Amino acid sequence: ETGVTQTPRHLVMGMTNKKSLKCEQHLGHNAMYWYKQSAKKPLELMFVYSLEERVENNSVPSRFSPECPNSSHLFLHLHTLQPEDSALYLCASSQDGSSYEQYFGPGTRLTVT
Amino acid sequence: RKEVEQDPGPFNVPEGATVAFNCTYSNSASQSFFWYRQDCRKEPKLLMSVYSSGNEDGRFTAQLNRASQYISLLIRDSKLSDSATYLCVVNGPGAGSYQLTFGKGTKLSVIP
Repeated sequence: ETGVTQTPRHLVMGMTNKKSLKCEQHLGHNAMYWYKQSAKKPLELMFVYSLEERVENNSVPSRFSPECPNSSHLFLHLHTLQPEDSALYLCASSQDGSSYEQYFGPGTRLTVT
Repeated sequence: RKEVEQDPGPFNVPEGATVAFNCTYSNSASQSFFWYRQDCRKEPKLLMSVYSSGNEDGRFTAQLNRASQYISLLIRDSKLSDSATYLCVVNGPGAGSYQLTFGKGTKLSVIP
């Protein structure tokens, strides 16, 4: 397995469900990111972790809860989402915070019904 | 003013054409600049970094004008495989920020 992987690739959930997105990087990087990509909008940074510490949180609603148990894994826990949260959720990693080349995973396409 | 603004596109060009994309950014403290490429229903991938002196990678040339806060990407001899959305990306706010700010992207279609 190489690069950045994400599971699941597609997810449909109701507004009362709880689900989690998983990201794993096999690049030996120290920083990991969650982005949201909605139609006709630029990528929006949600969270940044560096060496397992959260370093940026861009005013994301509390119904999104990140977790970084180690430098290779990143989770995004979802609960009581809204239909407008439907989007492509992309995970990325970089060597560290000062190395700006980010490698993206394939994304999880989330639909909230 | 939008943080990173790009040509709206789409650009439809014939094979072999030269095409240029422009981008402006609002954060004067930004220090790092990039072009990413995103194929349809795929993740973004780094195409090239943009340096103050300008840089070239094969058919691709990137330019930066800090005074005007302007970035460009030139693609020469377009190939069908160049069809994608091109994302202008800058770091910030602040030189030490982890954050990358993405433009909405410009869609390029190279037609036979």
